[in-house]
Amino acid sequence: QQQVKQSPQSLIVQKGGIPIINCAYENTAFDYFPWYQQFPGKGPALLIAIRPDVSEKKEGRFTISFNKSAKQFSLHIMDSQPGDSATYFCAARDAATGNQFYFGTGTSLTVIP
Amino acid sequence: DAGVTQSPTHLIKTRGQHVTLRCSPISGHKSVSWYQQVLGQGPQFIFQYYEKEERGRGNFPDRFSARQFPNYSSELNVNALLLGDSALYLCASSPSAGAGEKLFFGSGTQLSVL
Repeated sequence: QQQVKQSPQSLIVQKGGIPIINCAYENTAFDYFPWYQQFPGKGPALLIAIRPDVSEKKEGRFTISFNKSAKQFSLHIMDSQPGDSATYFCAARDAATGNQFYFGTGTSLTVIP
Repeated sequence: DAGVTQSPTHLIKTRGQHVTLRCSPISGHKSVSWYQQVLGQGPQFIFQYYEKEERGRGNFPDRFSARQFPNYSSELNVNALLLGDSALYLCASSPSAGAGEKLFFGSGTQLSVL
C-alpha cells in the first residue's frame, strides 16, 4: 500500500512556467514532509520541507503548500528553468517509527527552453 | 567536505548469490539509513542505524541485514539474491537519529541480479 500518493507521474512545462506536483497521505502520525529532487545517476537531494503546523513555506523559487485537514501538500516551482528538469519526490516521516520516511512514486519534470 | 560515499557504484550478481554494499556517511554524521529504489519508484526504507544500533527496519525479508561500524560507516548485506532485488540501493546519513533530520543521500549502488 502506497503511504504517500503523488501526481502527476510526468509533467512538461515551458521555461518560466509554474509546475505543480501534488501529494496526499492518510497517516496522521506523519509529522514532517520533505521534497527531494533527483537527477539521473544521482541520489535524491533535499529541496524544501514543511511541518504540519504551517500552511506554506517558501525557499527561493520553491514553495510548499500544506493542507492538514485534506492531508495534501504540493510543490510549486516558480519561474521554472531547464535546469529544473529532474524527478521530484514527496515524502513523509512517521514519528511513530522514528526517522522512517515514506516516498511518493515520483514526478518526472521536463522544462522546455 | 565529502558527501555520502557508496561503493561499489554498479554490481552484477546472479540469483542465489549474496552481496555487500558499503556506505561512508558525511563526516560528523552518526546516523545511516538504507533505502531501495526500484526503477520508476520512490525510495523504500530498509534500515536505520544510529550509534551502531538498529533504530528502524522496513518491510523487507530477513535476507536483508545491515550493520554500522564504530566509525559510523555501514554495510548492507543481501543473501540469496532474487531477480526482484535488482534496484538502486541508496545510503543516507544524518547528524543524529532525532526528529526532522535532513537526509543526505549518496549516489547509490546499482545492483543487477541476473
